[in-house]
This record gives sequence, C-alpha cells and structure tokens, in this order.
Amino acid sequence: GQNIDQPTEMTATEGAIVQINCTYQTSGFNGLFWYQQHAGEAPTFLSYNVLDGLEEKGRFSSFLSRSKGYSYLLLKELQMKDSASYLCAVMDSNYQLIWGAGTKLIIKP
Amino acid sequence: ETGVTQTPRHLVMGMTNKKSLKCEQHLGHNAMYWYKQSAKKPLELMFVYNFKEQTENNSVPSRFSPECPNSSHLFLHLHTLQPEDSALYLCASSPLLAGGPTDTQYFGPGTRLTVL
Repeated sequence: GQNIDQPTEMTATEGAIVQINCTYQTSGFNGLFWYQQHAGEAPTFLSYNVLDGLEEKGRFSSFLSRSKGYSYLLLKELQMKDSASYLCAVMDSNYQLIWGAGTKLIIKP
Repeated sequence: ETGVTQTPRHLVMGMTNKKSLKCEQHLGHNAMYWYKQSAKKPLELMFVYNFKEQTENNSVPSRFSPECPNSSHLFLHLHTLQPEDSALYLCASSPLLAGGPTDTQYFGPGTRLTVL
C-alpha cells in the first residue's frame, strides 16, 4: 500500500529552527509537496520537490532524497504565525496526491 | 489569496436531509477535486474532474454525488448521510492533471459538515 509518515505534533520556540520530517512509500513518484494549514483554514502551497536536494524559499526550505523516500521541511527564525499543521503529499504514478496526516507545529514564546 | 470559494462554510444536517456543497474557482484551472478531511487523518480524495469529466471516484458511497457543470464549478450533493460523514469537505483546483509543479492544487476554505 501507499503510505506517508510524519510526526503528529512538534513544539518549538519562537526564533528557533525546526525540521519536520516526512517518509513515503508510494507507487511511483511525480513530486513531493508541502502545504501549510492554519486551524479552520484552507491548506496553502509551500513547496514542490521532484529532484534530490534542497529548495530554499525565504525562511522555509524543503529537502528531498528519492532513494531514501524522505523529505523534510525546515523552518527558520520561527514566528508565532508559523503555528499550523504542515502536510506532506506525494504525487504517485497516476498523478494522484497521497497525503500524510499532517504535523501540528506549536510555537511557544 | 485563494481563488477557490466554497459555500456554505458550515452546515448542520439530519440524516434524512438533502443538501449540496458548492465550489467555484476563479483561477482558470481545468482540474477540480473534492477531499474529505477528518481530524488527525490524511486528506481523503473523493472525486476528481478533469476538463469537466470525472476521472476518479475513490470508492465513495453513493450518498455523495458530485456534479461538474463546467470547469469553474463543482458541486457535492449529499443525501441520507451518516454521523461518521461529519468532517471538513475541501474543494481544490489545479491547472492540469499531468504531474509536476504546474499541478499544484489550490484549496478552498472548506465546508464544516455536521451530521446529526
């Protein structure tokens, strides 16, 4: 079966750095997406990786290793507004997104 | 700013009611999706429409009936639902259904459905 694993919840301190991991087993691979979802709101797109390596976008970076079936989202200089759920999703060979259950990130002052 | 709108935002219905959820996208996309989001569970893909044609139905019970009259509008008709159907129903759209960064999905705010 297809499976995406990510931690259920993480806590970090304002101004610090946090890394949210995602491991996957899917039928085929056509890219990995990270989304942010604030409570009661729509998921919003953060990043897309299809090649191995690190993609940096401001305070957020996303890393992919296809051979290991592994990705992480790195958030730097954490702000209170970064408190949200972070969803990892992999596009399989049928171009369907397979979703993880999300990681709830709690930022403390 | 999301270009995908959903109405209503909240809906409470009894098990014998019939109601419809509406989704509209203003992004010129060709693919539209219905998802179910339950607490602490992955997003569950329900239906996919590509150029108004249904391309995916992930074994969804017949009490959920989708309709896509054009590329901008998507409906989910609800009939004789069960309490376990209570969840957040999300609509999304994407430019294409062909993979790659151009297939990034953009979500609406969702309809919070409660079935009594």
